[in-house]
Amino acid sequence: DAKTTQPTSMDCAEGRAANLPCNHSTISGNEYVYWYRQIHSQGPQYIIHGLKNNETNEMASLIITEDRKSSTLILPHATLRDTAVYYCIVRDLNAGNNRKLIWGLGTSLAVNP
Amino acid sequence: GAVVSQHPSWVICKSGTSVKIECRSLDFQATTMFWYRQFPKQSLMLMATSNEGSKATYEQGVEKDKFLINHASLTLSTLTVTSAHPEDSSFYICSATLGLAGANQETQYFGPGTRLLVL
Repeated sequence: DAKTTQPTSMDCAEGRAANLPCNHSTISGNEYVYWYRQIHSQGPQYIIHGLKNNETNEMASLIITEDRKSSTLILPHATLRDTAVYYCIVRDLNAGNNRKLIWGLGTSLAVNP
Repeated sequence: GAVVSQHPSWVICKSGTSVKIECRSLDFQATTMFWYRQFPKQSLMLMATSNEGSKATYEQGVEKDKFLINHASLTLSTLTVTSAHPEDSSFYICSATLGLAGANQETQYFGPGTRLLVL
């Protein structure tokens, strides 16, 4: 699976949009981009995933560049409860039984009042 | 939907004893479950992948005789830490997927984690 690069930490004001970037310049055509987050002392939570097109759900929006080498997770109106570590992961769904996710260190997002 | 529970949420045990952690998918059938370990300020490290009715696949460096995994049904997997030592103290997290083809079915849903402290 392709490696991803994320900033170590970011800050965001409560109520503003939080834009979390992820670089995956070696992504292949079969690899999806997944985003998870982990609030302190809890298990990770699935947020969203995409392949080529931009995606939106009740939690966030995922913007993938046309060349697919980078993406941005957008939390439109960040709240204090969005303070967490956000992980960007790419993986190939055609990798047979190899369903494991490779976790980096993610971006530690602090939402400030 | 897609809720995964873990029990217990935390456990303290004496060195040399065994501890069993349960992972349950509450509203879906999970053909594949994963067990992770996370040390403070570090990322998740996959320990093993288990498929219902078959033996678990362990990651390199994880002792299968020390970390026993049983996935006897489509809604339950257990991790038993045998002869626990203080260095086994960690945050253990399980996840589950439907295990079918396709991006949605491959999404992993995580339990809340179990914090183990071995004295």
